[in-house]
Amino acid sequence: AQTVTQSQPEMSVQEAETVTLSCTYDTSESDYYLFWYKQPPSRQMILVIRQEAYKQQNATENRFSVNFQKAAKSFSLKISDSQLGDAAMYFCARPFPPLTQGGSEKLVFGKGTKLTVNP
Amino acid sequence: EAQVTQNPRYLITVTGKKLTVTCSQNMNHEYMSWYRQDPGLGLRQIYYSMNVEVTDKGDVPEGYKVSRKEKRNFPLILESPSPNQTSLYFCASSHPSGSLAYEQYFGPGTRLTVT
Repeated sequence: AQTVTQSQPEMSVQEAETVTLSCTYDTSESDYYLFWYKQPPSRQMILVIRQEAYKQQNATENRFSVNFQKAAKSFSLKISDSQLGDAAMYFCARPFPPLTQGGSEKLVFGKGTKLTVNP
Repeated sequence: EAQVTQNPRYLITVTGKKLTVTCSQNMNHEYMSWYRQDPGLGLRQIYYSMNVEVTDKGDVPEGYKVSRKEKRNFPLILESPSPNQTSLYFCASSHPSGSLAYEQYFGPGTRLTVT
């Protein structure tokens, strides 16, 4: 199946606090990539972070980190020290078809989580 | 600067009037795709191309055409637009191998309204 599920349509966080956005996915593969994209009001799609499934270590990029639980097929995004500029839609995504079938033809996206940052 | 460009950024048109949205990338990527984004549905792939003269349907290809005559360009053609094609459209490109494999780089989007 190609499903990527984001169960939180909307989230809010106070400035300087930490927030976690959830994502689960389906796959029968053992090796794959996962991505979080940010879409601010400008509508530009911006890559936030990527995780390679064969790596045990969770990916981090400055204030953004992931909690990758391979067995549970869970890939959550943690934003620390939230800033007003973090307000955006966040999309979880993975390539399809799987890497063993060539990969890269498309990204399958979740439906997104709208994050509001309160001052 | 590495980028994907799309034109126009905004377009309002009428039902049935053929239009083309251009897409160009300067990263020498083999793979290019078109997505549409609709509220509550996320992004869905319309068409993709794995190289010059190689294109194939994505999840929602009805009403669209594409061509890939040059590696850098991948235009999206709506031969007879209808109101249900009102959407935000993204072009994206990616490289199938290397350290940045499978990351898709997106253009700025084209907001299309069909009346």
